[in-house]
Amino acid sequence: DGGITQSPKYLFRKEGQNVTLSCEQNLNHDAMYWYRQDPGQGLRLIYYSQIVNDFQKGDIAEGYSVSREKKESFPLTVTSAQKNPTAFYLCASSTAGSSYNEQFFGPGTRLTVL
Amino acid sequence: GDSVTQMEGPVTLSEEAFLTINCTYTATGYPSLFWYVQYPGEGLQLLLKATKADDKGSNKGFEATYRKETTSFHLEKGSVQVSDSAVYFCALDMDSSYKLIFGSGTRLLVRP
Repeated sequence: DGGITQSPKYLFRKEGQNVTLSCEQNLNHDAMYWYRQDPGQGLRLIYYSQIVNDFQKGDIAEGYSVSREKKESFPLTVTSAQKNPTAFYLCASSTAGSSYNEQFFGPGTRLTVL
Repeated sequence: GDSVTQMEGPVTLSEEAFLTINCTYTATGYPSLFWYVQYPGEGLQLLLKATKADDKGSNKGFEATYRKETTSFHLEKGSVQVSDSAVYFCALDMDSSYKLIFGSGTRLLVRP
């Protein structure tokens, strides 16, 4: 079955540590996205990538980094520079060249900083 | 800039009640409009969409009509079930844009 997988589902880290969240898709989508969701709030865009080896900052990129070495994969690193990293992180993907941007979401990773 | 405004929740209804969740948008062009649903602890799922004015999106008993004159895309369902309890997000995208702009979400609680 085609879809988006994120791992792990729950992640705990100590302050000062970097941590990498995995996102893989087998939908053959060109574009991939990372969002952050805080309790009672909407989604905020962290980074997005339209093609391999290219990515752009979203609205809240500070303290995060990404890579896009393969079409299927778009890992997100939460660095120690991110001041409030505890949140629910969602990865999404979409086709390029569509007349509208329907995004497909993974199940999310809940990151907690101890 | 472009934005989406949703009614604040939670919206609490009894089973079989009629549901309306209001969504209005601000956009300089002609966006496509979406409703996504998020069940507890999960990612978002596309519920329905409309790509041009007067289009009606529908799925699983939910409907929303793209009203350009009122810049609205209200979500409705005639008879809600307990299983509809979730958070509902309205979103828009602009032509040639890879970004979706989301509203803040509306939590729906349906009681038996």
